[in-house]
Amino acid sequence: EDQVTQSPEALRLQEGESSSLNCSYTVSGLRGLFWYRQDPGKGPEFLFTLYSAGEEKEKERLKATLTKKESFLHITAPKPEDSATYLCAVQTQGGSEKLVFGKGTKLTVNP
Amino acid sequence: GAVVSQHPSRVICKSGTSVKIECRSLDFQATTMFWYRQFPKQSLMLMATSNEGSKATYEQGVEKDKFLINHASLTLSTLTVTSAHPEDSSFYICSATQGGWANYGYTFGSGTRLTVV
Repeated sequence: EDQVTQSPEALRLQEGESSSLNCSYTVSGLRGLFWYRQDPGKGPEFLFTLYSAGEEKEKERLKATLTKKESFLHITAPKPEDSATYLCAVQTQGGSEKLVFGKGTKLTVNP
Repeated sequence: GAVVSQHPSRVICKSGTSVKIECRSLDFQATTMFWYRQFPKQSLMLMATSNEGSKATYEQGVEKDKFLINHASLTLSTLTVTSAHPEDSSFYICSATQGGWANYGYTFGSGTRLTVV
């Protein structure tokens, strides 16, 4: 069974304190790994898609990396507005377009 | 960029009544739409996948007669929760793709908070 595990469940940072969120996955074959940001009471907002091990993508203070077993979302010098739940999802080989989501990491950045 | 509009954002209904939630792709044609359910502090759980003009494919354990999905056009999908009960209270989210997910990805609606009293 395809599984996505995110850690930690919650993370508190001071403004400017860099850190990383982890997404480990066990799938039969990876077609793509997605990172989303979700604010309370809202739908997920797309951040990145990664397709193959070694790939990296950046957007402002966020950088996503991918290995054969896990992905990291690095947050550099976070600001309070980066506070949100960050979701990781995978799409697996086999023809289906559906995504399998992890439970997310709730990030709180204190000023 | 691609925008998906979901309506209503919040709804309260009485037990035993039905509720319809709409999901519209505003600036693209959505060949495939997905409906998710999210409980507090839990992941998004896929309920069903729908393709325009065909019957929805439901995930294991999802009652197709209770959660009716219609994808009648390339820009509109609806989820109807029939004979709602308090245990159906949840956050429902739709997403859509233009097809060729690798190129277009998935766009999510803003969600609907359903409360059944």
